[in-house]
Amino acid sequence: KNQVEQSPQSLIILEGKNCTLQCNYTVSPFSNLRWYKQDTGRGPVSLTIMTFSENTKSNGRYTATLDADTKQSSLHITASQLSDSASYICVVSMNTGFQKLVFGTGTRLLVSP
Amino acid sequence: EAQVTQNPRYLITVTGKKLTVTCSQNMNHEYMSWYRQDPGLGLRQIYYSMNVEVTDKGDVPEGYKVSRKEKRNFPLILESPSPNQTSLYFCASSFDRTHQPQHFGDGTRLSIL
Repeated sequence: KNQVEQSPQSLIILEGKNCTLQCNYTVSPFSNLRWYKQDTGRGPVSLTIMTFSENTKSNGRYTATLDADTKQSSLHITASQLSDSASYICVVSMNTGFQKLVFGTGTRLLVSP
Repeated sequence: EAQVTQNPRYLITVTGKKLTVTCSQNMNHEYMSWYRQDPGLGLRQIYYSMNVEVTDKGDVPEGYKVSRKEKRNFPLILESPSPNQTSLYFCASSFDRTHQPQHFGDGTRLSIL
């Protein structure tokens, strides 16, 4: 079954600290993996997209990694800020006609002052 | 500014009263889609459209209709809403299938009583 599992479900960290969010998937055939940030009351915003051949991609303080062999991805947030408080969603795209998407249920991050 | 605009943002209505949620994008994107987001279930695709007059079912299409008469607009229609359609709905667009969904709207919160 094609699934995307994210951990932890929720996380609280102190402002300025680093954190890492995990995404494990069983999706096949794989096309790409994307991380989104969703602020409360807003739509998701794309942070990174990685294809099979990419194992690291950065967007400011956000760095995503991908291990296609173990089917794992992580999102590392450096020097967290209060504005990083949000849900982070991992999405895997299947290499099919319309690139069917499989969504994780997200990790809710709270950055505390 | 690149935007996906949904209306209304909030709606409370009653069972059986037809409603339409509009979605418009200003990026000349070919691909558009609708999602619902429920606690613990993540985002699930309702319908998608690859171009004008080309639409297809996603994972949870029951009880919904869509149309794509113009490239920029992709309305979601609930002909006879029921309480189990109470949810947070997002419209999204992208310039090609590989990068979909690229831009999300800010969501429409529907409550069906």
